[in-house]
Amino acid sequence: AQRVTQPEKLLSVFKGAPVELKCNYSYSGSPELFWYVQYSRQRLQLLLRHISRESIKGFTADLNKGETSFHLKKPFAQEEDSAMYYCALRRGSGGSNYKLTFGKGTLLTVNP
Amino acid sequence: ETGVTQTPRHLVMGMTNKKSLKCEQHLGHNAMYWYKQSAKKPLELMFVYNFKEQTENNSVPSRFSPECPNSSHLFLHLHTLQPEDSALYLCASSPPAGELFFGEGSRLTVL
Repeated sequence: AQRVTQPEKLLSVFKGAPVELKCNYSYSGSPELFWYVQYSRQRLQLLLRHISRESIKGFTADLNKGETSFHLKKPFAQEEDSAMYYCALRRGSGGSNYKLTFGKGTLLTVNP
Repeated sequence: ETGVTQTPRHLVMGMTNKKSLKCEQHLGHNAMYWYKQSAKKPLELMFVYNFKEQTENNSVPSRFSPECPNSSHLFLHLHTLQPEDSALYLCASSPPAGELFFGEGSRLTVL
């Protein structure tokens, strides 16, 4: 079975400080990993996915298969980054599988 | 409206009522999903439909009954619910192997 663990329920940093939101997964195959974000009073939306290897809003995440991790990082946090962040896993790639498993989420607060 | 639209946004019902949640997407996606988001649990996948066919039922109690008449519409029929079913119900859609686009959710309270 696939499982996603976000060990931190709450994370608070000051503006300009580095931030890292942790995500570990459990899956025996080759997973596809995502970070979704939910800003206050907005709908849940995709932030980034590991296959894109993009930096979105200054955030990056590297899939580490050895440590089964997909931590989200940003070198200098901004107040507008305050939101709920969810790590998610989908098994394999290709069009036949649609099940996306989410972690419990980490609420990030960036203080001025 | 583009994107994923859910109605109603808020619903209060008694345990003996029958009600339905509706989800609509005009993104041309073939897959649609129901997720349950409650305070103390992660987002729980309930159902997945692909081209109107149910491909995933995540051991959901029969008091929740999904219906997908076409690729643009998804319903969740509710009957004889329990107070612990109170939660935010999120609908999403996606293209094959693509990102999920979520609606704003329907906040359900069961009295």
